[in-house]
Amino acid sequence: DVKVTQSSRYLVKRTGEKVFLECVQDMDHENMFWYRQDPGLGLRLIYFSYDVKMKEKGDIPEGYSVSREKKERFSLILESASTNQTSMYLCASSFGLRGLGRNEQFFGPGTRLTVL
Amino acid sequence: KQEVTQIPAALSVPEGENLVLNCSFTDSAIYNLQWFRQDPGKGLTSLLLIQSSQREQTSGRLNASLDKSSGRSTLYIAASQPGDSATYLCAVTPLNFGNEKLTFGTGTRLTIIP
Repeated sequence: DVKVTQSSRYLVKRTGEKVFLECVQDMDHENMFWYRQDPGLGLRLIYFSYDVKMKEKGDIPEGYSVSREKKERFSLILESASTNQTSMYLCASSFGLRGLGRNEQFFGPGTRLTVL
Repeated sequence: KQEVTQIPAALSVPEGENLVLNCSFTDSAIYNLQWFRQDPGKGLTSLLLIQSSQREQTSGRLNASLDKSSGRSTLYIAASQPGDSATYLCAVTPLNFGNEKLTFGTGTRLTIIP
């Protein structure tokens, strides 16, 4: 089974702190994604990566950065946390094998981040 | 811009009934469509992925259909159980190669009444 893990289930931080959210997948997937999920707004893509050291902005990248130094690990960084970044953060991964129909996205359990 | 809608937003049915969840999308240029379930406070679990060239996909009591030309997909759940209670989300992958950005629907919160 594909396994996507996230470093924390719950996290509480203070305004202005630097926050790291880590995601690890064990299936040698090329693609990795960070989403946030908010009531009434659904899932929104923050950043994604198609390969090591590559990153692309999603729909709401402001206030976030990412790092992918190794294929299995994708980190989301909040440089200076703000209260409007309180949310559920979800990581996902997929094969880059669209031609073979193997681009199904698999999600981690999520991190509930509260910024006070 | 692709928009994905799921109606109704919430649905309650008695245990044992068969039910259908709906998903509509505005742009038929999709590569595939994926159905997920999400339990409260948890991540998404992939249920079924249906390619644009397929009409149906089945897994156990679940059957997903796709009508790309009309921009609709349905998820059929047979013999519903209380454990099926969750929020169900559909998401589409755009057709253009190299773009793996999913567009998600708004979700249907399903409650199975014992």
